[in-house]
Amino acid sequence: GNSVTQMEGPVTLSEEAFLTINCTYTATGYPSLFWYVQYPGEGLQLLLKATKADDKGSNKGFEATYRKETTSFHLEKGSVQVSDSAVYFCALSDRAGGFKTIFGAGTRLFVKA
Amino acid sequence: ETGVTQSPTHLIKTRGQQVTLRCSSQSGHNTVSWYQQALGQGPQFIFQYYREEENGRGNFPPRFSGLQFPNYSSELNETALQLDDSALYLCASSLFSVDSEAFFGQGTRLTVV
Repeated sequence: GNSVTQMEGPVTLSEEAFLTINCTYTATGYPSLFWYVQYPGEGLQLLLKATKADDKGSNKGFEATYRKETTSFHLEKGSVQVSDSAVYFCALSDRAGGFKTIFGAGTRLFVKA
Repeated sequence: ETGVTQSPTHLIKTRGQQVTLRCSSQSGHNTVSWYQQALGQGPQFIFQYYREEENGRGNFPPRFSGLQFPNYSSELNETALQLDDSALYLCASSLFSVDSEAFFGQGTRLTVV
């Protein structure tokens, strides 16, 4: 079945540091890939997505590239801010899975001033 | 503003009781999915409804059941509650499409004592 594996947290960085959160996936079909973010006290919201191989999703300075050859969708940001402190979830959806979205376990990010 | 609302926001139940959680989908969305999120974990897929029929189910027993109504609102019903049912229950509405973003409600925090 479909699954998503992402790096364990928490990840603690200083402001303006470079961020990478690794995500790999297993899927029977050709999935769309997503990063969702959960800020403290708020609900899950979409951060970015990519729907086919080599697509790059980007939003709020975050980027992730759909790598079919390595089945990966790593999240990156060049310079994090304190306001980026949140839990980040990698997820996938595909037709073979009935379009349901499958999530990774989440990676908590703490950014220190 | 996602437009997905869940009720109640918090609930305390006794082991063995049953509970009904409610979700109002975002306007125009025809698909609703329910997730269970234990503390520190990623959302686990319970089931999905499309056009009032169950369209996929995760690894949850039959005592978890659902309904989707013609106006695309939805219910999650749980019977014979167990202590480890304590979690945040999330409702997500979307279109029935592989690259459709899922819009989440704030969730219902269920505590079983």
